[in-house]
Amino acid sequence: AQSVAQPEDQVNVAEGNPLTVKCTYSVSGNPYLFWYVQYPNRGLQFLLKYITGDNLVKGSYGFEAEFNKSQTSFHLKKPSALVSDSALYFCAVILPIGGKLIFGQGTTLQVKP
Amino acid sequence: EAGVAQSPRYKIIEKRQSVAFWCNPISGHATLYWYQQILGQGPKLLIQFQNNGVVDDSQLPKDRFSAERLKGVDSTLKIQPAKLEDSAVYLCASSLEAAKQETQYFGPGTRLLVL
Repeated sequence: AQSVAQPEDQVNVAEGNPLTVKCTYSVSGNPYLFWYVQYPNRGLQFLLKYITGDNLVKGSYGFEAEFNKSQTSFHLKKPSALVSDSALYFCAVILPIGGKLIFGQGTTLQVKP
Repeated sequence: EAGVAQSPRYKIIEKRQSVAFWCNPISGHATLYWYQQILGQGPKLLIQFQNNGVVDDSQLPKDRFSAERLKGVDSTLKIQPAKLEDSAVYLCASSLEAAKQETQYFGPGTRLLVL
């Protein structure tokens, strides 16, 4: 079955430190992978996506994600965290037929001053 | 460019009542999606439209939920009658073309509380 796993419910980092939010996937074929961020009482905002090509994808607000086919992972990273990055982050995979998005359960990122 | 619009933003109803949500996608987006997001979980697809036709409604509880996109632009999602477990955020999203795995852009959502 197609699925996405985010193994950490919450990630805590200090402002200025690098952050990583983990994501692994299980999908047949070549995956299209996405990261979205959700602030309180807001909808999901698109951060970045991987389709093909370079394994390091750059997105909005200084975020980037590294695709690793052998480990079936797509971890979200940022070199220097900001307090304003505190939010709920979702990894998702899009099915090759029909365009249906399958989401992970989400990871809360808490950046402390 | 205007984003995906949804209304209302919040709704409180009693169980067994009916409720309707409205969504206006980004202009030119052929594909429209309704997702249900229960607290603590990722969004789950309820129904997907391509223009005014249904592509996927396999996860829609059809005994109580219905949705339409009559003119291929805006859409309504209805629940009748509502149950306590329907309390969730209902998200609408749109994309240019589902077949090409285009990025989906989400509206702010409607938070529903069923008492």
